[in-house]
Amino acid sequence: EAGVTQFPSHSVIEKGQTVTLRCDPISGHDNLYWYRRVMGKEIKFLLHFVKESKQDESGMPNNRFLAERTGGTYSTLKVQPAELEDSGVYFCASSPGVHRVSETQYFGPGTRLLVL
Amino acid sequence: AQSVTQLGSHVSVSEGALVLLRCNYSSSVPPYLFWYVQYPNQGLQLLLKYTTGATLVKGINGFEAEFKKSETSFHLTKPSAHMSDAAEYFCAVSGNNQGGKLIFGQGTELSVKP
Repeated sequence: EAGVTQFPSHSVIEKGQTVTLRCDPISGHDNLYWYRRVMGKEIKFLLHFVKESKQDESGMPNNRFLAERTGGTYSTLKVQPAELEDSGVYFCASSPGVHRVSETQYFGPGTRLLVL
Repeated sequence: AQSVTQLGSHVSVSEGALVLLRCNYSSSVPPYLFWYVQYPNQGLQLLLKYTTGATLVKGINGFEAEFKKSETSFHLTKPSAHMSDAAEYFCAVSGNNQGGKLIFGQGTELSVKP
């Protein structure tokens, strides 16, 4: 069974540009989470999808970040326009469903974003 | 609000020595506690978790952790370190009022000396 995959693995862009990160969860997992780790800081929650619906987007930093999950399968996270402080590692995780709070979340390898 | 504190951003042990990584949490609801490990260039992998029941939890690769409610702790231990244990370790908490999102500690980088 394939794990959570993320694309690209690395992205270097200039301030003001747009970047789109993609996450493919484990097939059949209803829950999809995005997290971010800024260098030197803890991993922080960004948002949570249940199927195609946003369940919780309380961690999204501002309206430059837009997340979608079309058809309840893969998800994209777009940053437009990117700022220097957006640099960090963006992780995606998925879990099967029902017992969200106790379920194991399966993480992808992350996308390392550097904004110059 | 929930929070997690991991004492020590870097821990170094000798091969064969005890590994002890500390995690304290605060939570207004019964917590669910997790330890994840990240090896270089890989995603986070679950080591073990506490949900309910037995407070001593055994995980993969010989690791275990004990949930101590009175001390609000969930420290991770391994009796004998192996070189392959070198990685970054994350403690995380979730709760019934959080909808499934994980709150992470700052992470602890474990080095193992030969």
